[in-house]
Amino acid sequence: DAKTTQPPSMDCAEGRAANLPCNHSTISGNEYVYWYRQIHSQGPQYIIHGLKNNETNEMASLIITEDRKSSTLILPHATLRDTAVYYCIVRHTTNTGNQFYFGTGTSLTVIP
Amino acid sequence: KAGVTQTPRYLIKTRGQQVTLSCSPISGHRSVSWYQQTPGQGLQFLFEYFSETQRNKGNFPGRFSGRQFSNSRSEMNVSTLELGDSALYLCASSSQGASYEQYFGPGTRLTVT
Repeated sequence: DAKTTQPPSMDCAEGRAANLPCNHSTISGNEYVYWYRQIHSQGPQYIIHGLKNNETNEMASLIITEDRKSSTLILPHATLRDTAVYYCIVRHTTNTGNQFYFGTGTSLTVIP
Repeated sequence: KAGVTQTPRYLIKTRGQQVTLSCSPISGHRSVSWYQQTPGQGLQFLFEYFSETQRNKGNFPGRFSGRQFSNSRSEMNVSTLELGDSALYLCASSSQGASYEQYFGPGTRLTVT
C-alpha cells in the first residue's frame, strides 16, 4: 500500500507562495495523488489531484515528479485563511473498492 | 448541489451504550466512506459502501459496523462504546470514475463518558 510522508509543520508569509512537499515513493503506476486540507476539525476539503501530469485549478497547483515518487502542492498566494493541516494522500484501489490513506499531514501556518 | 450532511453533529454517550450515526451523500453519489479522527491516530479509514454493499473495511473491531440504503444514505453503528471511541466521525461521498474525488461532511463529534 502506498503511503505518504510529509513534514509536520511549515510557515509561510502571507502573499507568498506556499510549497508543500510530499513523498510517496511506493506509489503504483495507476494510483492517484490527492491533496486535502482540514481547518479546525471541520471535514477535510478537497483541493486537487493528479496522476502523472501537473495540474492546476483555482485553488492550487500540483507538481508531480516524473518518477511519481514525490509531489508538491503550491498555493500561489497564501492568505491567512489557508492556515490548515494539509494532507497528501494516495488512493489505494483494490478489486473491490478504494481506500484513502491519510498520513499525519503538514500543519501550514500563514504568517501576516 | 447540497453537500454531505451528517447527523447528529454532537453526541454524548456512556460506556457500554451503542450509537448510530447518519450520513446523507451528495445527490447522485453512490459511494460513501467513513473515517474516524482522533488526536492520537489521525484520520483512519473505517469502511466504504457502494450500492448498498460494503466494498472495503479498515482495521477496526467488529463493534464498528455500517450499512447503506437504496437511496445511498449510510449509517454507521458502534456497539458497546468504549472511552477510546471518542472521536470525530467523518463521512465522505464520491461519484464513480477514475478521479474519485471524495467530499466530506462536517462530521459527528462523539464523546464517550
